[in-house]
Amino acid sequence: DAGVIQSPRHEVTEMGQEVTLRCKPISGHNSLFWYRQTMMRGLELLIYFNNNVPIDDSGMPEDRFSAKMPNASFSTLKIQPSEPRDSAVYFCASSSSVYEQYFGPGTRLTVT
Amino acid sequence: DAKTTQPTSMDCAEGRAANLPCNHSTISGNEYVYWYRQIHSQGPQYIIHGLKNNETNEMASLIITEDRKSSTLILPHATLRDTAVYYCIVRSGNTGKLIFGQGTTLQVKP
Repeated sequence: DAGVIQSPRHEVTEMGQEVTLRCKPISGHNSLFWYRQTMMRGLELLIYFNNNVPIDDSGMPEDRFSAKMPNASFSTLKIQPSEPRDSAVYFCASSSSVYEQYFGPGTRLTVT
Repeated sequence: DAKTTQPTSMDCAEGRAANLPCNHSTISGNEYVYWYRQIHSQGPQYIIHGLKNNETNEMASLIITEDRKSSTLILPHATLRDTAVYYCIVRSGNTGKLIFGQGTTLQVKP
């Protein structure tokens, strides 16, 4: 089992550019979560999907952030336009039950 | 979801048991206690969860007090690789949301 796969692992971009983060959940898992981690705010849930449907997006900071899950094996988190304060590590996690979540290695985003 | 309180940091000698406390005095009847850990630069890793009874798996044991207002995660024989931030989370059983606090930074020393 390859685990949760995230790409890219590192992204450096300039303010105002569009950024797309990608996630492939573990096969057979029906829930997918996007988190953001910063030193100031810790680990925050941004949005989660159940059976490809967004269930709770209350953690999405603003309209510049959007997330999609077009099928059970792929999800994207898009930031447009990006700002320096979006710099963080973004984690994707998946689960097949309400108990355990399996996290990916994260994408380290730097916006200059 | 109920809030949790954990010490900011703890040390443990290698080979000894590490006992990490968590206070969740406002926990309600349908809320579970979860423990995750995050080793530096990695994604969080699930350790264990429980509702009322004590639980044990290959990684750790979870001791929940009878009134459920606090719990302790026990790593029976800590190794250097157990150095990490440990998060205690209380969550309703029917929701997927995990709300992470600041956790306890456990430093295992040789």
